[in-house]
Amino acid sequence: KAGVTQTPRYLIKTRGQQVTLSCSPISGHRSVSWYQQTPGQGLQFLFEYFSETQRNKGNFPGRFSGRQFSNSRSEMNVSTLELGDSALYLCASSYEPGDQGEKLFFGSGTQLSVL
Amino acid sequence: AQSVTQLDSQVPVFEEAPVELRCNYSSSVSVYLFWYVQYPNQGLQLLLKYLSGSTLVKGINGFEAEFNKSQTSFHLRKPSVHISDTAEYFCAVIRMDSSYKLIFGSGTRLLVRP
Repeated sequence: KAGVTQTPRYLIKTRGQQVTLSCSPISGHRSVSWYQQTPGQGLQFLFEYFSETQRNKGNFPGRFSGRQFSNSRSEMNVSTLELGDSALYLCASSYEPGDQGEKLFFGSGTQLSVL
Repeated sequence: AQSVTQLDSQVPVFEEAPVELRCNYSSSVSVYLFWYVQYPNQGLQLLLKYLSGSTLVKGINGFEAEFNKSQTSFHLRKPSVHISDTAEYFCAVIRMDSSYKLIFGSGTRLLVRP
């Protein structure tokens, strides 16, 4: 079956704009998590969604938001973009919230560049 | 507070040489430990994990790691690397409490040279 799909693969925006990233989980998976990956910082947890509800949230400003639809697809939105938001944004899916290890599957990410 | 420290941002090594990628963690509660690999333009893939039991854990692609509770370390090793092992490697932990989310280190880029 298809893996975790993230679109678009690359995105270029300017400061002050907003952006929406999309993640389609593996079929049957109901939990979706988002991570921000930057050089030197590694991956930092943004939030986790399950059954259209946010279950967990990392330490990011309110400019970062997300949602999950009834088909488990998820979007994350970043408003008023800053240069420091340039990063690879990774999505991961699993059957249940809290599934880890071999039960957690990552997408290839969306590379966001803010100019 | 909990943190994961990967001491080396980049490790260059020649093909067929051994390699060790270091990972230390700090936590006030017990943790699960993981190593992930990220090949260029791909997502993360689980290499191995430590949940309990034997402290020496074997993973895919010939990698292994040893959990050392007294030194709070979980170093990744491979006795002989290949060019194809060139990738970014991330150590991660999960606290065994209500938060239960992955905390990643900053990553180590393994660069294997011919």
